[in-house]
Amino acid sequence: ILNVEQSPQSLHVQEGDSTNFTCSFPSSNFYALHWYRWETAKSPEALFVMTLNGDEKKKGRISATLNTKEGYSYLYIKGSQPEDSATYLCARSYIPTFGRGTSLIVHP
Amino acid sequence: DTGVSQNPRHKITKRGQNVTFRCDPISEHNRLYWYRQTLGQGPEFLTYFQNEAQLEKSRLLSDRFSAERPKGSFSTLEIQRTEQGDSAMYLCASSPDRTNYGYTFGSGTRLTVV
Repeated sequence: ILNVEQSPQSLHVQEGDSTNFTCSFPSSNFYALHWYRWETAKSPEALFVMTLNGDEKKKGRISATLNTKEGYSYLYIKGSQPEDSATYLCARSYIPTFGRGTSLIVHP
Repeated sequence: DTGVSQNPRHKITKRGQNVTFRCDPISEHNRLYWYRQTLGQGPEFLTYFQNEAQLEKSRLLSDRFSAERPKGSFSTLEIQRTEQGDSAMYLCASSPDRTNYGYTFGSGTRLTVV
């Protein structure tokens, strides 16, 4: 993998559903992996920064895992709410390289 | 501190004109980044500064793009002789010089070249 890739590109779920997205990145020369949440008309907001293989981080109903050896990270949202609707971006740093994002829409 | 501030929020310019955008980072953040974002794409890295030093500028899109951070505080991004393809959202972000901190983004400047 040469670039940061995210899947799916978009996702529609019903309120209360749990969901997850994938971020794939080059595993060589790994430094850190960031997740951001970007709501329309707002600034991207940092969710997690992960640096160690096997890292798991949690913030409320949102959690993330990291596998640096195989080059992927998962973001999980438990019990999705309409206010979770946003684009979720991941980025591999040192020089930050972003994926295209996953657009999540949660229907009431 | 009210976060990262970008001005203007919106800019409409005629093709061929020069434009300059300003970013005021969080005061204690010594790193500052510029990104461009177009529809359907993630933010595309342009350049970054550590204090006043521009440490990476090879990804600036062409020699029409330049950035400065003269005193290590605010930064400007200038686009000369704008083209319609320059229409995009230009985002600025800042961070402290530590590995495990995320970037704080501004609200961006939306450029439209007509």
